[in-house]
Amino acid sequence: GQNIDQPTEMTATEGAIVQINCTYQTSGFNGLFWYQQHAGEAPTFLSYNVLDGLEEKGRFSSFLSRSKGYSYLLLKELQMKDSASYLCAVRDPTNAGKSTFGDGTTLTVKP
Amino acid sequence: EAQVTQNPRYLITVTGKKLTVTCSQNMNHEYMSWYRQDPGLGLRQIYYSMNVEVTDKGDVPEGYKVSRKEKRNFPLILESPSPNQTSLYFCASSLSHGFNQPQHFGDGTRLSIL
Repeated sequence: GQNIDQPTEMTATEGAIVQINCTYQTSGFNGLFWYQQHAGEAPTFLSYNVLDGLEEKGRFSSFLSRSKGYSYLLLKELQMKDSASYLCAVRDPTNAGKSTFGDGTTLTVKP
Repeated sequence: EAQVTQNPRYLITVTGKKLTVTCSQNMNHEYMSWYRQDPGLGLRQIYYSMNVEVTDKGDVPEGYKVSRKEKRNFPLILESPSPNQTSLYFCASSLSHGFNQPQHFGDGTRLSIL
């Protein structure tokens, strides 16, 4: 089976940088997704990593280390609107139809 | 506009009264899936469909049924709802079930079973 761990909550200050970690234990690996979910809204796709290293998309970057079973989402120049839950997810390596999501990290950005 | 549409958005009903939550996507996506989300928990997969007439169980399928008669629609059926099915439900779709395919989510349906 697949298991994903994320911190439950984080708090950061507007304008700062925050790193949200995700560790996974899977029977194989074919990439990891990050989604953003504002309270009461639908999750939206942020990034996908399948190779080791950092991928940058504007203020958001995502990092992957396959050997360590570890990923993080880096948010720079935090804005109040970044207050949301951040979910990491993987697809089952033997059956891409099945997806496993972490419980999500709720980020609160304070002025 | 490309979207996944769920209906109803909110529903309060009673134990045992059959209900259907509809899900429709206009992106010609092959893959569709249903999730439930409970407070403090991530998304848990109920059922998924890789294509028309192809459906399979996710991690929490008990008490639910689905069908995929057309590519665009993937309704979730609760034949005899119970209070433990009170939850926020999301339908999602992706172009295919490929490993790198992100999912697009509907706005959610909040179900309360009394």
